[in-house]
Amino acid sequence: QVQLVQSGSELKKPGASVKVSCKASGYTFTSYAINWVRQAPGQGLEWMGWINTNTGVPTYAQGFTGRFVLSLDTSVSTTYLQINTLKAEDTAVYYCARVIGGDSVRRFDPWGQGTLVTVSS
Amino acid sequence: DIHMTQSPSSLSASVGDRVTITCRASQTISNYLTWCQQKPGKAPKLLIYAASSLQSGVPSRFSGSGSGAEFTLTISSLQPEDFAIYYCQQTYRIPHTFGLGTKLEI
Repeated sequence: QVQLVQSGSELKKPGASVKVSCKASGYTFTSYAINWVRQAPGQGLEWMGWINTNTGVPTYAQGFTGRFVLSLDTSVSTTYLQINTLKAEDTAVYYCARVIGGDSVRRFDPWGQGTLVTVSS
Repeated sequence: DIHMTQSPSSLSASVGDRVTITCRASQTISNYLTWCQQKPGKAPKLLIYAASSLQSGVPSRFSGSGSGAEFTLTISSLQPEDFAIYYCQQTYRIPHTFGLGTKLEI
């Protein structure tokens, strides 16, 4: 079945980097874009950006430029979210989600299970 | 950016009740609107896309309506497993912004 499986929880110190993976299975990886969404503790969902899995070109929301890097490895059907120079406010659950459909039928399905990144000294 | 406003922010209801959640966009988004459900400690799950299309596998008690800038999610007869947080999201323009969520409580 179609699924996205993310890497496990991370505990990092401020100033460090983290790389979260999202492995796709059950479909042709390069046929659908992958989006990333952040959820801070007790907060709502925040769209971070997306990566075109055919070209590898990422697009970032304002507020997620500079320290945030989306990449992919088509040989293992995996996209990555790297966060550099971590800050305490980066503590959150990060989700990947496949985007299917175009125009008005565009939707996020399925979602990965989420990866908790905790930044603490 | 397109701002999405959900109301109410929280809602208390009982099993069997009919509930409606509203989502308003700061500009017209045609029907580029999805609804998802999130339970504690779990990833969001798609319920409705294109404002009114039911995602495969989602019970028919869930329905969506609206177009332009005002949308609703209706649950016709609440079941115990429906108590969760519901988010609307616009897919009309990047960034694909979410509403702040509606917490549905018993």
